[in-house]
Amino acid sequence: DIQMAQSPSSLSASVGARVTITCRASQDIRNHLVWYQQKPGRLPNLLIYEASILQSGVPPRFSGSGSGTDFTLTISSLQPEDVATYYCQNYNSDPLTFGPGTKVDI
Amino acid sequence: EVQLVESGGNLVQPGGSLRLSCAASGFPFSRSWMHWVRQAPRGGLVWVSRINPDGGTTRYADSVKGRFTISRDNAKNTLYLEMNSLRAEDTAVYFCVREVYWSIEHWGQGTPVTVSS
Repeated sequence: DIQMAQSPSSLSASVGARVTITCRASQDIRNHLVWYQQKPGRLPNLLIYEASILQSGVPPRFSGSGSGTDFTLTISSLQPEDVATYYCQNYNSDPLTFGPGTKVDI
Repeated sequence: EVQLVESGGNLVQPGGSLRLSCAASGFPFSRSWMHWVRQAPRGGLVWVSRINPDGGTTRYADSVKGRFTISRDNAKNTLYLEMNSLRAEDTAVYFCVREVYWSIEHWGQGTPVTVSS
């Protein structure tokens, strides 16, 4: 089975800061990597699919990159409403494992 | 508007069984891959299972394989999760979710399952 690792597990940054979250797969998953945002007490929200395609309605300060085993989610200018836990997910092969999450605070 | 409404969650003793249901509306259910995802209290997201549109293909997380069964009734626009031999570690909110192009786009509100004596 493919294992997903995320780093850091948590971070705190200032408003306006550039934030980078890394996701690493234990095997090549091509570009089949998805990012979700889950705000406290809310349902998860799809941010990015196929590693770099921004879901409709998601602010352009979010971007994704990578392929194979190494992926990155970047928030170019952190906003207060971005406080959330961010999860990556392997969508290449079953089981479709999630990463453990990265908690972002301000 | 896409709606996914789960039901069936409850308190159950270890070793017991439960059947979760998810009523779907607002999209072509019979043409959609559907999944179950769970989240333990203060925990992360855990993918549980998925099923293809005609119900002929199913996949499971290793932690539930052999104990859980996913199924669907396209005539009723309903997704199911039969859970047997439940363990304390199965305690979580269970979400019914819809896949759209290599990702999960829609989530139900979830139904809580507690396994405890």
